Amino acid sequence: DGGITQSPKYLFRKEGQNVTLSCEQNLNHDAMYWYRQDPGQGLRLIYYSQIVNDFQKGDIAEGYSVSREKKESFPLTVTSAQKNPTAFYLCASRGTLRDTEAFFGQGTRLTVV
Amino acid sequence: QKEVEQDPGPLSVPEGAIVSLNCTYSNSAFQYFMWYRQYSRKGPELLMYTYSSGNKEDGRFTAQVDKSSKYISLFIRDSQPSDSATYLCAMQDPSYNTDKLIFGTGTRLQVFP
Repeated sequence: DGGITQSPKYLFRKEGQNVTLSCEQNLNHDAMYWYRQDPGQGLRLIYYSQIVNDFQKGDIAEGYSVSREKKESFPLTVTSAQKNPTAFYLCASRGTLRDTEAFFGQGTRLTVV
Repeated sequence: QKEVEQDPGPLSVPEGAIVSLNCTYSNSAFQYFMWYRQYSRKGPELLMYTYSSGNKEDGRFTAQVDKSSKYISLFIRDSQPSDSATYLCAMQDPSYNTDKLIFGTGTRLQVFP
């Protein structure tokens, strides 16, 4: 089955530690995105990538980093510089620039303890 | 002012009611308008999309776009408890090189039996 997979579903991190969230898609999509979702704030764009080996900052990129070494993978690292990292993180992909549908993964709930 | 405004709810209705969900926006360049449904602790899934102004119907769901008022709506007829979810509107400006989707905050809907 084609789709987009995020792992893990739940993640706990101690303050001061970096953590990497995985996102893999087998839809052969060029564009991939990371969003953060907080109550009352909707989805906010962290980073996006339109092609392998290229990515751009979104609206709230500070404290995060990404890589896009393979078309199917777009991992997100939450660094210790992110002041408020506890949130629900969503990865999405789209086929082309004009595709209307973004396919989302099931999300990763990150909690800093 | 946010680019997209959406009442967060919660909106609580009895089974069988007609539900109206709405978003307003400020960017007149938006052309693609989408509604996503998100169940608790899951990723959003595309429910409907429309291009420019007009109506679109799919079963119990109707999406309306009024570009002159910068207002979009999603109507759900004969609402069911299984419709209980958060509904997110999303919009795209095709002139963006970034290919960004702008999301509303989401409206939480509860349909009780």
